[in-house]
Amino acid sequence: GQNIDQPTEMTATEGAIVQINCTYQTSGFNGLFWYQQHAGEAPTFLSYNVLDGLEEKGRFSSFLSRSKGYSYLLLKELQMKDSASYLCAVRADYKLSFGAGTTVTVRA
Amino acid sequence: EAGVAQSPRYKIIEKRQSVAFWCNPISGHATLYWYQQILGQGPKLLIQFQNNGVVDDSQLPKDRFSAERLKGVDSTLKIQPAKLEDSAVYLCASSLSDGTDTQYFGPGTRLTVL
Repeated sequence: GQNIDQPTEMTATEGAIVQINCTYQTSGFNGLFWYQQHAGEAPTFLSYNVLDGLEEKGRFSSFLSRSKGYSYLLLKELQMKDSASYLCAVRADYKLSFGAGTTVTVRA
Repeated sequence: EAGVAQSPRYKIIEKRQSVAFWCNPISGHATLYWYQQILGQGPKLLIQFQNNGVVDDSQLPKDRFSAERLKGVDSTLKIQPAKLEDSAVYLCASSLSDGTDTQYFGPGTRLTVL
């Protein structure tokens, strides 16, 4: 199986920037996903990285370094609605494994 | 485009009872997944279907869990008999073709076993 680590909780202020790190150990790497999950709701797809580098999508960006087994999700211009759990998921041998998630709380 | 549909949304049963969950994937999606998400954890894959065939069921507790996708469209997941530790959210997801595509999740069924 995969070993996926991400912080349990993070708190930030509205309008600020937060970076959620994810480290993983795996073989057969096929890609890394970030999902957002609001309490009591389904995970929703945010981003996908398969090559090294930064992918930008509006206020959200995701970075991947395959050699370091490392990714981060960057949330800019935080809004209250960004309070949620952010799940890092690694696809290896075409099977997806999830980290436990990072709960982000945005304060006014 | 309609998303992944699941029912029921909530279910409360007593241990040793049986329960079934239903999932209808996004139209045209060949691959369907069932995940178990225990509170405070990430989703764990239980079973993956491609069309009506099982691709991966290595983490499905086969002594009590079963799943089928007979016509390659909707799917049911059954637990018989349920245990206290089965209390979790059961998420269904689908993807367009195979394991290389992005997975889209349904709202989940929250199961409480008393």
